[in-house]
Amino acid sequence: DAGVTQSPTHLIKTRGQQVTLRCSPKSGHDTVSWYQQALGQGPQFIFQYYEEEERQRGNFPDRFSGHQFPNYSSELNVNALLLGDSALYLCASSSGTAYYGYTFGSGTRLTVV
Amino acid sequence: GENVEQHPSTLSVQEGDSAVIKCTYSDSASNYFPWYKQELGKGPQLIIDIRSNVGEKKDQRIAVTLNKTAKHFSLHITETQPEDSAVYFCAASKRSQGNLIFGKGTKLSVKP
Repeated sequence: DAGVTQSPTHLIKTRGQQVTLRCSPKSGHDTVSWYQQALGQGPQFIFQYYEEEERQRGNFPDRFSGHQFPNYSSELNVNALLLGDSALYLCASSSGTAYYGYTFGSGTRLTVV
Repeated sequence: GENVEQHPSTLSVQEGDSAVIKCTYSDSASNYFPWYKQELGKGPQLIIDIRSNVGEKKDQRIAVTLNKTAKHFSLHITETQPEDSAVYFCAASKRSQGNLIFGKGTKLSVKP
């Protein structure tokens, strides 16, 4: 039973560019949440997708956007990259509207130069 | 909104000793408190969780206690082993909030 799969594992982008990160949820899960984890910090909530709609959003600018597909997989898009966007981006999947039972992927390490 | 504070930021113990990590939360409506272990290069892995209707939960060498009145919860690891070395995060959530609020993490080092 595959867990949460994220791609790519590492990425280097130049300031001002755009990036797309991908996530496939754990089998049986239909909700995807994205978190940003800066070095030495705890993960911070970006947004959550359920039934192909953004259900909740954290305190992140509109440069961060997402999408969920009918197969429950999800993408995180970041436009106009800043040096401060360098972080580990984690995807977590869960079931329905449950506020527990999250499974995290290994993340995508984004470096902005 | 909810704020979770975690202490200590680093903890070093000898193999076989116990380790305790403490967290406090600010929103009295929070009712779900998971603990995650994150190893280098990996995502957080759930190791134990507790809901506000119980005061303690144990799973082999790991236990979590919750004091709703004081709004704090703790992770206890007994008989520590070198493979317990990792960063541990506490978090809080509630039914009306579909996301987790994390503490800043504790780096645990278990010395052989």
